[in-house]
Amino acid sequence: EIVLTQSPATLSLSPGERATLSCGASQSVSSSYLAWYQQKPGLAPRLLIYDASSRATGIPDRFSGSGSGTDFTLTISRLEPEDFAVYYCQQYGSSPRTFGQGTKVEIK
Amino acid sequence: EVQLVESGGGLVKPGGSLRLSCAASGFTFSSYSMNWVRQAPGKGLEWVSSISSSSSYIYYADSVKGRFTISRDNAKNSLYLQMNSLRAEDTAVYYCARDPNGWRLTYFQHWGQGTLVTVSS
Repeated sequence: EIVLTQSPATLSLSPGERATLSCGASQSVSSSYLAWYQQKPGLAPRLLIYDASSRATGIPDRFSGSGSGTDFTLTISRLEPEDFAVYYCQQYGSSPRTFGQGTKVEIK
Repeated sequence: EVQLVESGGGLVKPGGSLRLSCAASGFTFSSYSMNWVRQAPGKGLEWVSSISSSSSYIYYADSVKGRFTISRDNAKNSLYLQMNSLRAEDTAVYYCARDPNGWRLTYFQHWGQGTLVTVSS
C-alpha cells in the first residue's frame, strides 16, 4: 500500500498570499496518478486536480498541481477567502487507492 | 447535473447491521464505477469499497473485508453498502462517490453529501 504524507499539517496564510502544499509518496506513483481535493467543514470533498496537474471542471486557474514519482505539489497562487479549507491528496496508481492525512490552510 | 444522495445512516449497536443507499441522477449510472469513502469524526478520508459499472469487479479495504458488501442496481440507479458486524471504529460519515469512467478505478470525480453512521452502545 502506498502511504501518502502531506506537509505541512497546517498552513497559516493571509488572503492574497501563495500557498504551497506537499504530498510525498512512500513509493513511486505510476503515471502521476495523483488527485487533490478540497474539503470545507460539514461538506463533501471536491475534486480540484487529477493526473497530478489537470484541473477539474470549474476549478479556477489559481489552483495548479505538479510533480511526479514520489513528490507532488498543490499550489494556490493567490489565496481567496473561500480557499481556506482542508486539502487532501489521493493516489490511484496502485491498489488500494489511498489518501494523505490532509493539510489545513487557515487564515493567519 | 450529477447528483448523489446517500441515505440509511443512523445509530447502531456494536455487532449490528445497517444498509446504506445512494440514489444517483444526472448521468448514465450504468456506465460508471461507484465507490464508498468514509471519514471518521475529525479524521481524514478512507476508501472503503468500489464496484465496476456492470458489477464484474468489486474491491474492499482490508478494514471492512468480510463484513461489508457493496452492490448496485443499474435499473434503479442505486448503489448500496450492506454493513454487518459493525464496530465502534466504523463510526464515520459515509460518502458515495463516482469515478470518471466505468472500467478503471481512478479518482473520485463526484461526491454525495454523506450519511453519518454511529456505532455505539
